[in-house]
Amino acid sequence: QVQLVESGGGVVQPGTSLRLSCVGSGLSVSSFAMHWVRQAPGKGPEWVAAISYDGRDKFYEDSVKGRITISRDNAKNTVYLEMNSLTPEDTAIYFCAKSKMSLYYDVWGQGTLVTVSS
Amino acid sequence: EVVLTQSPATLSVSPGERATLSCRASQSVGINLAWYQQKPGQAPRLLIYGASNRAAGTPTSFSGSGSGTDFTLTISSLQSEDFASYYCQQYLHWPPLTFGQGTRVEIK
Repeated sequence: QVQLVESGGGVVQPGTSLRLSCVGSGLSVSSFAMHWVRQAPGKGPEWVAAISYDGRDKFYEDSVKGRITISRDNAKNTVYLEMNSLTPEDTAIYFCAKSKMSLYYDVWGQGTLVTVSS
Repeated sequence: EVVLTQSPATLSVSPGERATLSCRASQSVGINLAWYQQKPGQAPRLLIYGASNRAAGTPTSFSGSGSGTDFTLTISSLQSEDFASYYCQQYLHWPPLTFGQGTRVEIK
């Protein structure tokens, strides 16, 4: 069964850091561009970041540039999202998702919840 | 940034009836538009890509149409499992990739 499994979420204080992981199961993520998409409570999905299949190219949503870094380790079949200087506005479920050449998402993880609160 | 506006925000439909959901883009995205279904506590699921192509496993009761700035998702006869939220996403002009704010289809 093809799956993406996220981990690393939790409750953290404002200003702290967190690293999320996304592992492919039954799926070799090394062949695909990978993305992180977040969804705040009661809101629609919001694209956060993307990384090319080889890790050379990285793209970020403007509001997270400088605070968030996407990376991948194809040998571990894993994609990461390093988040720094977290604010309550970063509170959301974070999904990793696989895209095809056209950038729509055909495989999603189940999500990991990040709550930023004092 | 391409802004996608979905309407209505909530659609109340009786089982067996037809539902028509709209997605309007702030600039042309060609046919580079996808539709997703999301149920509470679940990740979005791809329904339609390329504006009108059903993804694997999408029932034939779902159809997508449109190009440029105006798109429609039609559910021909609503089943109980179709009551959910639906989001459109454009993937022509990026970054950023953008989603609409969603339409919730509820039981009338």
